Amino acid sequence: QKEVEQDPGPLSVPEGAIVSLNCTYSNSAFQYFMWYRQYSRKGPELLMYTYSSGNKEDGRFTAQVDKSSKYISLFIRDSQPSDSATYLCAMSALNSGGSNYKLTFGKGTLLTVNP
Amino acid sequence: EAEVAQSPRYKITEKSQAVAFWCDPISGHATLYWYRQILGQGPELLVQFQDESVVDDSQLPKDRFSAERLKGVDSTLKIQPAELGDSAMYLCASSLLSGTGRPPYEQYFGPGTRLTVT
Repeated sequence: QKEVEQDPGPLSVPEGAIVSLNCTYSNSAFQYFMWYRQYSRKGPELLMYTYSSGNKEDGRFTAQVDKSSKYISLFIRDSQPSDSATYLCAMSALNSGGSNYKLTFGKGTLLTVNP
Repeated sequence: EAEVAQSPRYKITEKSQAVAFWCDPISGHATLYWYRQILGQGPELLVQFQDESVVDDSQLPKDRFSAERLKGVDSTLKIQPAELGDSAMYLCASSLLSGTGRPPYEQYFGPGTRLTVT
C-alpha cells in the first residue's frame, strides 16, 4: 500500500460545478497537507496548505483534513475552464532523524472543466 | 516574480547515452531539490541539497544518476547511461531553508525538463 492514495480520474465537469478531490493516507505522522495544481507541461504550484486537522478556505477553494479518517479533500466551487489541470495532494512529516520535512505526493487527479 | 529556471525544457536521447539537466534556483534559496515525475504519477524526491551538501539522496539510483551543486547555487543532474525507464519529467524545486524551522510547503517548482529515452 502506498503512503498516499489519490484517484487519478480523469474527472470531467461542466463549468460552474462543485468539484471534490480526495486523498487518503496511511502515515499518521503526516502533519502538513498540501494541494498543488499542475498545468500540462508545467511544474506544480502550491494552491493551499493545512497544518494538522481542520478546514481552510481561499476564495473558491476549500481544503479539509480529517486526521481521524486519514482523509483530505479539496473543494472547488463555481469551477472555471481555467481550473482544468492536474491536482496533486502532498503530505509531509519529519524524517526519521527529525531534521527535515519530506513531501510525499499522490498520483494526481486530472480535472477538465467544460465551458 | 522570481522563478526556478530549468534547461533544457525537452530532451530526447537514445538509451545508453549520457544526459544532463540544469537548474537555477530562486536567488537566496539555500535548499534545492530534484524530483522525478513519471507520467501519471506524483513527483518523487531524488536528491535534496542544503547549500552544496547533499541532505537526502536515498532515492537516487546512484549507479547511473549523479547530482552536484558545486557552489551552492545552480545544480546539475546527470544520467549515464540513460535507460528507457528514465523517461519522465525532471523537476527542480527550491526553498529558503529546509529543516524543522521551515514548513515544507515553501518549495517552489521550476517548469521541469521532459526527458524521452528512445
